[in-house]
This record gives sequence, C-alpha cells and structure tokens, in this order.
Amino acid sequence: EPEVTQTPSHQVTQMGQEVILRCVPISNHLYFYWYRQILGQKVEFLVSFYNNEISEKSEIFDDQFSVERPDGSNFTLKIRSTKLEDSAMYFCASTSTGDTDTQYFGPGTRLTVL
Amino acid sequence: GENVEQHPSTLSVQEGDSAVIKCTYSDSASNYFPWYKQELGKRPQLIIDIRSNVGEKKDQRIAVTLNKTAKHFSLHITETQPEDSAVYFCASQTQGGSEKLVFGKGMKLTVNP
Repeated sequence: EPEVTQTPSHQVTQMGQEVILRCVPISNHLYFYWYRQILGQKVEFLVSFYNNEISEKSEIFDDQFSVERPDGSNFTLKIRSTKLEDSAMYFCASTSTGDTDTQYFGPGTRLTVL
Repeated sequence: GENVEQHPSTLSVQEGDSAVIKCTYSDSASNYFPWYKQELGKRPQLIIDIRSNVGEKKDQRIAVTLNKTAKHFSLHITETQPEDSAVYFCASQTQGGSEKLVFGKGMKLTVNP
C-alpha cells in the first residue's frame, strides 16, 4: 500500500537556523498538508496546499514558514529562522480529493531546536 | 474558530473490557469525522471514519456513532486487547471550507493484560 514518506526522521538545529522538512505524498494525491504536534499535545493544522498554492494556513504558519512543491513528487516545509518553540513533530499528510477524504499521514520529522 | 473537545484524556481498562471515547465539535457545518490511533513515536493511523449522512459505522471491534443534533461523536472499542493501547485522536472537517482536520487533544488508552 502506498505511504507518505518524510525525511529526515529527526532534525536537530540551532535557534535561528533555517530548516527544510521534506515529504513525498502518495503519488496520485492532489491535496497536501502540514501539521505539527508538540510533545504530549494534540495535532495542529499548519497549512494546506492544492494546485500549487496555499489554500489555507493557520495562525501558527507565520512569515517564518513557507511551503513548496518543487517538482512532481516532493512537498517541503521551510522554517526560515527557527525558534525554540518550533520544536515539535511535523507531519505531512495527503489526500486525493480533499473534502471528506482520508488524510494519510507520513511518519513525521522530529525537529529539535537548541 | 472550530474546536473539538475530547474526553477522557486517559483511560485504563482490563483486557476484554470495552472502551468509549467521546468528542464534541463546535462547527455545525462539520461533515467528516475521522478517528486516528497513534502509537508512541509513530504516525497517526486512520482506524475508522464517519460522514455526516450516517449515524453509525462499525468495523469489527470498533464502531463510531454520530449525533449531529448534539454535535458529538464517539468511538467504541469492544473486547480490548493490549495492542489497542495507544493515543486515540478524534478530528472533524468542515464542508465547503478548507480540508483541514481539527483534532481533539487525544486520549491515552491503556489495556492491561
């Protein structure tokens, strides 16, 4: 069964550094999402992406965040200048039709900002 | 904004018992309600979902019920097994808006052998 994949599994960075988290959604999916989960807390929506543009973003997704689909397979989340509070598990998800469709989650990237 | 409340936050049961997790949602336009199971350090895995045009759905030992009038939905696990131990998240999605999922805070289920 196809799965969403993410790299790296764990990223450690210094505060103020830029990080890029990578995701490969399921190949025939058209809607892509990033969520984050701070340790022990609930999963929070960051951004949704469809047709090469952001369709919605949350309050968390400020100017330090950006997303890109640089080619036909990858979907990336960039944090320009990381803060301590960005430390979390970041999950990518994808779905084929969006509305009321199953969102499949990747294994996550654990980001640790020191 | 949309909000999903989930309770209890933890539940410990004996193997073979049933477990029930309850969620309420705030947006009456919500029309899709998935449940995810997350084992420690792993990705959330969809275990069952329900759309607003039905009131109940069952898949082997798990079932979900939806009460649109009261804006609440519940997950029922029967004949629990130790491998059911995990954190369970409910979520909602709103029709016609973004496709984002709004998650509850999760419930840690422990099934004691």
